[in-house]
Amino acid sequence: QVQLQESGPGLVKPSETLSLTCTVSGGSISSYYWSWIRQPAGKGLEWIGRIYTSGSTNYNPSLKSRVTMSVDTSKNQFSLKLSSVTAADTAVYYCARGYYDFWSGYYFDYWGQGTLVTVSS
Amino acid sequence: QSVLTQPPSASGTPGQRVTISCSGSSSNIGSNYVYWYQQLPGTAPKLLIYRNNQRPSGVPDRFSGSKSGTSASLAISGLRSEDEADYYCAAWDDSLSAHVVFGGGTKLTVL
Repeated sequence: QVQLQESGPGLVKPSETLSLTCTVSGGSISSYYWSWIRQPAGKGLEWIGRIYTSGSTNYNPSLKSRVTMSVDTSKNQFSLKLSSVTAADTAVYYCARGYYDFWSGYYFDYWGQGTLVTVSS
Repeated sequence: QSVLTQPPSASGTPGQRVTISCSGSSSNIGSNYVYWYQQLPGTAPKLLIYRNNQRPSGVPDRFSGSKSGTSASLAISGLRSEDEADYYCAAWDDSLSAHVVFGGGTKLTVL
């Protein structure tokens, strides 16, 4: 059974960079898309972006200028960096596996439990 | 403001059938598949419907999805108390650079 676990600081100061890592266990990180999705308290889901194991990325246009994703296949991990954070970036951050095939399309089949990141001084 | 529009709430009594709508545009629902996720309180979302109307293994056939034009809907029949959750629709959006968009979510209450 594939499992994902987010890790990183729970508190980030305004204007600094939020950094999170997702560790994948129970399966290989290779040949899948890996996404970050966030959810402010009491609000809906927002897709931040995805990275393929080749390193190619797609980002949400609304966050693109501040987002960097990377992958380390040797450690079965992928990471998120979000720069110049403000209080509006406070949210639960989820990592998720993106499954794709031509017939089914692209969807998130495995999710981490989520980690709360608060932006505050 | 979410790209896909869902009603913020829905409700029904046990055994009833409820539907949740999701409205988009030609760049998302109109030209791509729709997916539905169920988020139980305090947990991560779980895939409920893929490719507009397909259920992953383990999802009861009480849940069904449909799509027409730039709108989609999720139907839940034989409503049960454990169906009380938030439901989100999602789709790819081809405007600007391709990206995933979600609906704002619908909180389903089982009365």
